[in-house]
Amino acid sequence: GAVVSQHPSRVICKSGTSVKIECRSLDFQATTMFWYRQFPKQSLMLMATSNEGSKATYEQGVEKDKFLINHASLTLSTLTVTSAHPEDSSFYICSASYGGGTEQFFGPGTRLTVL
Amino acid sequence: AQSVTQPDIHITVSEGASLELRCNYSYGATPYLFWYVQSPGQGLQLLLKYFSGDTLVQGIKGFEAEFKRSQSSFNLRKPSVHWSDAAEYFCAVGAQGGGTSYGKLTFGQGTILTVHP
Repeated sequence: GAVVSQHPSRVICKSGTSVKIECRSLDFQATTMFWYRQFPKQSLMLMATSNEGSKATYEQGVEKDKFLINHASLTLSTLTVTSAHPEDSSFYICSASYGGGTEQFFGPGTRLTVL
Repeated sequence: AQSVTQPDIHITVSEGASLELRCNYSYGATPYLFWYVQSPGQGLQLLLKYFSGDTLVQGIKGFEAEFKRSQSSFNLRKPSVHWSDAAEYFCAVGAQGGGTSYGKLTFGQGTILTVHP
């Protein structure tokens, strides 16, 4: 149980375009979802936390107008990278938790490459 | 604020040898502690977790970890490493209680494990 999927697994786009990444909890209702980014050979850095039906809470230094997060249902959250640039190329990982618990269940990640 | 330190960036062991990956945390109360493993280009898989109770926790794939409050440590161990254990390992701390940090995880820098045949 507690499976989280992400789509797409990898995406390549041109600079200036927008990219949407989906995160789904397949067998549970995710009251909270988290978005992380991971640069090569680095750790995971939390970008934002979203609760279903509420606005996302962004970590310091993360541009909320550039990284749009929507958590419209208890099983789906989306991250849209707007006007992507090469420096946005990274591995984006989502996770989900339920019932107000601390344990997070991680998706497989999405590799974004911006040309 | 909570923080996690994994002092070893890269560890190399021979297959069959024992393994210990170090993790030190900083947190004002009793934390939630986790170890995750990540294969290249993949997401994170939970190995084990500590919330409370017995300080020696057993996880999947033969891993265990011991919570030592006096040393602020949560080191990961395995008695005999297999070649398939080669991956990157992350220690993470989560906040208990309420407040803006509740539910968030802070990750260490990761330790890359290489296993020699």
